[in-house]
Amino acid sequence: EVQLVESGGGLVQSGGSLRLSCAASGFTVSSNYMSWVRQAPGKGLEWVSVIYSGGSTFYADSVKGRFIISRDNSKNMLYLQMNSLRAEDTSVYYCARDVVGFDIWGQGTMVTVSS
Amino acid sequence: DFVMTQTPLSLSVTPGQPASISCKSSQSLLHSDGKTYLYWYLQKPGQSPQLLIFEVSNRFSGVPDRFSGSGSGTDFTLKISRVEAEDVGVYYCMQSKQLYTFGQGTKLEIK
Repeated sequence: EVQLVESGGGLVQSGGSLRLSCAASGFTVSSNYMSWVRQAPGKGLEWVSVIYSGGSTFYADSVKGRFIISRDNSKNMLYLQMNSLRAEDTSVYYCARDVVGFDIWGQGTMVTVSS
Repeated sequence: DFVMTQTPLSLSVTPGQPASISCKSSQSLLHSDGKTYLYWYLQKPGQSPQLLIFEVSNRFSGVPDRFSGSGSGTDFTLKISRVEAEDVGVYYCMQSKQLYTFGQGTKLEIK
């Protein structure tokens, strides 16, 4: 079965760090464009970061310089290292595969940044 | 940067009636490869978003044919021919011509 499962969310203080993980099954992470998308409580969807199959990475301006997207090909995993966290980073974070748009989404993991 | 503007932000529809959502992009979504990178998603209450339409008008696998997408350039529309109770949720358009940008979302409820 093709699926994504996120983990690593939790409560962290402002200025702290957290690493999110996304385990993929049924397909190969490194062969696809993989993104992180977040959703603040009661708000809309915000794209955060992408890693292309070739390894290039891109970030939303709101997280550039603080977040790092990466993957482990041997484990078929996607990661998001989040540093210098702010209250406004509080969101559910989804990982998603982009084949023809985001066709596969995980269930999301909640990150709460306390000030 | 791309700005995606959806209208309306909410709508209430009687089951069996049609519904329509507009999405306007600040720049053309027509790529030099000939494709137009506009997508529609539905986020049902308590669930992750799900892909409905890719590249303007192509229904994703398993999406009922009451959903249709149209448009070109900067103006796009999602139509539901006959709304059903299971269609409630928030609909988002998204561009991926240059990275990714979502619209604000349109909340659909049943009357």
